[in-house]
Amino acid sequence: GEDVEQSLFLSVREGDSSVINCTYTDSSSTYLYWYKQEPGAGLQLLTYIFSNMDMKQDQRLTVLLNKKDKHLSLRIADTQTGDSAIYFCAERGGTYKYIFGTGTRLKVLA
Amino acid sequence: KAGVTQTPRYLIKTRGQQVTLSCSPISGHRSVSWYQQTPGQGLQFLFEYFSETQRNKGNFPGRFSGRQFSNSRSEMNVSTLELGDSALYLCASSGYSVSELFFGSGTQLSVL
Repeated sequence: GEDVEQSLFLSVREGDSSVINCTYTDSSSTYLYWYKQEPGAGLQLLTYIFSNMDMKQDQRLTVLLNKKDKHLSLRIADTQTGDSAIYFCAERGGTYKYIFGTGTRLKVLA
Repeated sequence: KAGVTQTPRYLIKTRGQQVTLSCSPISGHRSVSWYQQTPGQGLQFLFEYFSETQRNKGNFPGRFSGRQFSNSRSEMNVSTLELGDSALYLCASSGYSVSELFFGSGTQLSVL
C-alpha cells in the first residue's frame, strides 16, 4: 500500500548540515515534496522534485532522489535556529492524491 | 492574495457530539483537501474535492464527511465524536502550479 516513512526526530548544532531522510512506496509518484511546519501553523512548501530528476538545489536546500531505492533526502546547509520545525516528505501519484510522512522534528541547538 | 482560511481555530466538544469545520481556499483554487494531524501519525489524508466532486478519499470511517460548494469553499463534518478524533485538522487548496498545496493554519479539535 501507499506509505511514506521518516524518522521522528533530528537534532543538530547551529551551523552544521542537517539531513532528513524519507522512504516512499508508490513507484508511480510523479512529484515528491518537502514541506515545513512551524509551531501553530499549517505546512508550507519548501521544495519539490520531479520523479525524473536525481537532484535539485535551491539555496541552502539540496534534495536527492534515489528512485531505485525509493529514497528521498533533504539536506539543509548551515542550519540555523530558525530552521527548527517539523519537516514532512510527501509524494503525489497520478490520482492527485498526496501521501505525507509522519514528519521529522528538527531541533537546532545554539 | 488571501491565503487559506480555516474556521474556527479551536473547538472543544464532548463525545457523541458532531462538529463542522470550514475552509475557504485561495481565490481561483478549485481543489480542496483535508488532513488529520496527530502526534506520531503525521498527516492522514481524509478527502479531496475538486469542482464540488469528491475526487479522492482516505481510509476514515463514514463519520467523517465533507462537501464543497460552488464557490470552492469546503466543509467537513464529523459525527458521533470519539476521543480519538482529537487532532489538528488541516485544509489545503491547490491550483495548477506543480500542484503545490497551500495549507491553512488548521482547526484544533479537542474531544472530551
